Amino acid sequence: DAKTTQPNSMESNEEEPVHLPCNHSTISGTDYIHWYRQLPSQGPEYVIHGLTSNVNNRMASLAIAEDRKSSTLILHRATLRDAAVYYCILRTYTGNQFYFGTGTSLTVIP
Amino acid sequence: DAGITQSPRHKVTETGTPVTLRCHQTENHRYMYWYRQDPGHGLRLIHYSYGVKDTDKGEVSDGYSVSRSKTEDFLLTLESATSSQTSVYFCATGTSGSAYEQYFGPGTRLTVT
Repeated sequence: DAKTTQPNSMESNEEEPVHLPCNHSTISGTDYIHWYRQLPSQGPEYVIHGLTSNVNNRMASLAIAEDRKSSTLILHRATLRDAAVYYCILRTYTGNQFYFGTGTSLTVIP
Repeated sequence: DAGITQSPRHKVTETGTPVTLRCHQTENHRYMYWYRQDPGHGLRLIHYSYGVKDTDKGEVSDGYSVSRSKTEDFLLTLESATSSQTSVYFCATGTSGSAYEQYFGPGTRLTVT
């Protein structure tokens, strides 16, 4: 599976939007982009995923670059509960495995 | 959320002893996974299963074996525990097809002394 590159850490003020970037320059045309997050002392949980078009759900939005070589997870209004490690993962269309990197550790400042 | 439980949640054992961790799911998902998580490494896949009695190795499988005799249970065994296997172990289940996702259990903290 293609690799992703994320910043090790980011900070955000509470109630402000957060943009978490992910680079995946070797992505192939059929790779899905998945985002998971891991709250302290918990297992990872699903956030959002997409293929080509931007996606929205109740937790976040996913903005995918036109060339698909990068994507951005957008938390519209950060809360203290959003402090977590966020993982950007690529999965082939027929794949059934995730390869987690080290993710981005998000700190939310009150 | 998928019903995934892990047992035990915490375990301390001595070097050289066998250890078995259990993962149980109630969602009838086809795929099941065992990961370990260590500081600075994120989650790394140990073994996974794509059906009853069908398993395969992940990226860090040495020293571990798995078994899946029923859809709902996936066992991870450390035949002879070593201190390097001190870690937090997560079980996950996976759906299939284009809507593929993984769902994670709460984790088991294993300490090998």
